[in-house]
Amino acid sequence: EVQLVESGGGVVQPGGSLTLSCAASGFTFDDYMMHWVRLPPGKGLEWVSLISWNGALTNYADSVKGRFTVSRDNSKNSLYLQMNSLTAVDTAFYYCARRRGGSNYLDSWGQGTLVTVSS
Amino acid sequence: QSAPTQPASVSGSPGQSITLSCTGTSSDVGRYNYVSWYQHHPGKAPKLIIYDVSNRPSGVSNRFSASKSGNTASLTISGLQVEDEADYYCASYAGSDTYVFGTGTRVSVL
Repeated sequence: EVQLVESGGGVVQPGGSLTLSCAASGFTFDDYMMHWVRLPPGKGLEWVSLISWNGALTNYADSVKGRFTVSRDNSKNSLYLQMNSLTAVDTAFYYCARRRGGSNYLDSWGQGTLVTVSS
Repeated sequence: QSAPTQPASVSGSPGQSITLSCTGTSSDVGRYNYVSWYQHHPGKAPKLIIYDVSNRPSGVSNRFSASKSGNTASLTISGLQVEDEADYYCASYAGSDTYVFGTGTRVSVL
C-alpha cells in the first residue's frame, strides 16, 4: 500500500524556520517526482514545490521562491521541505504528493502536517 | 500566475447531476491537456479523480466525468451521493515545471 506520511509541522514565530519531512513507503520512491502542496485555512490548494527523482531538478511557486528548499534522500525514502523566513501567509496544511515521471498529475497524497506561523 | 477560477459552492440532491467549472487561461488550462481533478474531504488526503482532462484512475467511480473546452475544464458528478460531499479542485500544468490549482468548489448534497 502506498503511504506518504508528513511530519515536522508545528507553531513557529514569524521570521522563523521549520523543516517538514515526508516518509514514503509501499512504492519505489526514486521512480517518482515529488511535490509539496499547501492548503491555507479557509483557502484553496496551492502548489508549492517539486523535485525530480534524483534531486537534479527543483522548482518553486513564486510565493516561496528563495525561502523554501526542497530536497530528498532516496536511501531513506524521504522528502523534505526546509522553510525559512516564515510569515503568517505560510500558515497551512502541507501535503507531499507523488508524480510519476512523464505524467502531470499527483496520484497519491499524504494527509498533511499543519504549520502555524504566529507570535 | 493566478489560480483558475472555480465556483465557491455547488449543491445538488441525491441522484442529481452537477457540473463544476474551472476557468483558467491560455497559459495553463487552455494550453495543456494536463488538467486533473482532486476530491478532498477535510482532514483526509486529497484524492485524484481525473487526470489528463478526462481520464479516470482505476478505482474511481464512473459517476465522475470531465472535459475541457478552450480555457475552461469541467467536472460532472452524476448520480450524486452523500459521500460526494467534499471540496473539489482542478489543477493544470502551467509550463516551465510549474503547476496551478483552481480556487476550489465545495459540493454539498442536500
